Amino acid sequence: GENVEQHPSTLSVQEGDSAVIKCTYSDSASNYFPWYKQELGKGPQLIIDIRSNVGEKKDQRIAVTLNKTAKHFSLHITETQPEDSAVYFCAARRTGANNLFFGTGTRLTVIP
Amino acid sequence: EAQVTQNPRYLITVTGKKLTVTCSQNMNHEYMSWYRQDPGLGLRQIYYSMNVEVTDKGDVPEGYKVSRKEKRNFPLILESPSPNQTSLYFCASNYRPNTEAFFGQGTRLTVV
Repeated sequence: GENVEQHPSTLSVQEGDSAVIKCTYSDSASNYFPWYKQELGKGPQLIIDIRSNVGEKKDQRIAVTLNKTAKHFSLHITETQPEDSAVYFCAARRTGANNLFFGTGTRLTVIP
Repeated sequence: EAQVTQNPRYLITVTGKKLTVTCSQNMNHEYMSWYRQDPGLGLRQIYYSMNVEVTDKGDVPEGYKVSRKEKRNFPLILESPSPNQTSLYFCASNYRPNTEAFFGQGTRLTVV
């Protein structure tokens, strides 16, 4: 099955700085890569996703890049704010499969 | 408001006492799934359902059962809970597997 590795497990940044979280996946047939944000006491919520026919996608301060050759994708958050503090999960799904495989999560802390 | 509702939010039970965690969605989604979240392991899929009366195992199905008699409901059943099933459980629903998954608020289960 798919194996998704996520780094770092914890990340602290100063408010206004950028944060980058990286994930690698093992199954070259994976074609869907969502990122979820989980705030304390809540369920994960989709913040951005990318499909394998696209190399980069941006939504305001959030961007995701995908390198299919290297089998890695990254989440970039610019101009971080305290409300960005949360746990972030990457995930991957193989073409035609029903399972979504998650990384182990990154706890992001934005220091005011 | 589009939502996935889980009940209960918190549950403490004893080993071997059957329990059911309910999940309901109001988005008319065909695809629903259950995950467990453990520290350092991220979210792992337990079971999923493609539609009414169609269910299949995820990555960690041992000790769990599900049913899908109605489109909106997808209960998780632990016939004989054990302490290693102490975890945070999430129900999710999607329109399709490769679309946004909407998660419930989570159920924190403790088995003593």
